[in-house]
Amino acid sequence: DVVMTQSPLSLPVTLGQPASISCRSSQSLVYSDGNTYLNWFQQRPGQSPRRLFYKVSNRDSGVPDRFSGSGSGTDFTLKISRVEAEDVGVYYCMQGSLWPRTFGQGTKLEI
Amino acid sequence: EVQLVESGGGLVKPGGSLRLSCVASGFAFSSYSMNWARQAPGKGLEWVSSFTTGGYIYYADSVKGRFTISRDNAMNSLYLQMNSLRAEDTAVYYCVRGHYNHDYWGQGTLVTVSS
Repeated sequence: DVVMTQSPLSLPVTLGQPASISCRSSQSLVYSDGNTYLNWFQQRPGQSPRRLFYKVSNRDSGVPDRFSGSGSGTDFTLKISRVEAEDVGVYYCMQGSLWPRTFGQGTKLEI
Repeated sequence: EVQLVESGGGLVKPGGSLRLSCVASGFAFSSYSMNWARQAPGKGLEWVSSFTTGGYIYYADSVKGRFTISRDNAMNSLYLQMNSLRAEDTAVYYCVRGHYNHDYWGQGTLVTVSS
């Protein structure tokens, strides 16, 4: 199975400051069609997960542009340029290139 | 608007069975792979099972042989039959749309396995 390793697992941040989450996969996530199926999700307290990015860097509708996704192969990053109070929650990466699908452990962002 | 509404959760004794349902609306259900994922209390997300548009079915090792995923495209519904339930199956179970990119999640249904 592909192991997804996130760091840090806990991320204390100051409002208005940047934040960065790393996600590394134990195998390349480049699929046979040339795409890399790496997703990022945000889960606010008491809510279902919400997808932020698909195929590494494609931002979902309604996601503020202070969020960005980048990376390739086995190394991926989610960045927030200026953290706002509404960004509090747990962030997960998930690979959709290989079976079984696997998630990272989650990174808890707190102010 | 895409909606996924799960039901069927509840309290069940170890060794018992439960059937979860997910009713989808707002999109062409038969054109999408569908999935179940779960989240144990205070823990992270775990993929459970997928039913692709091509009819392929996949399971996590942790549920293989005990859980059965099915779908009824005419009813826009996804199901998860859970047998031989264990305490470690206690979780919120989510219905999720998508094959490579899990774009929409339901609100979840809580399954508690306890004597």
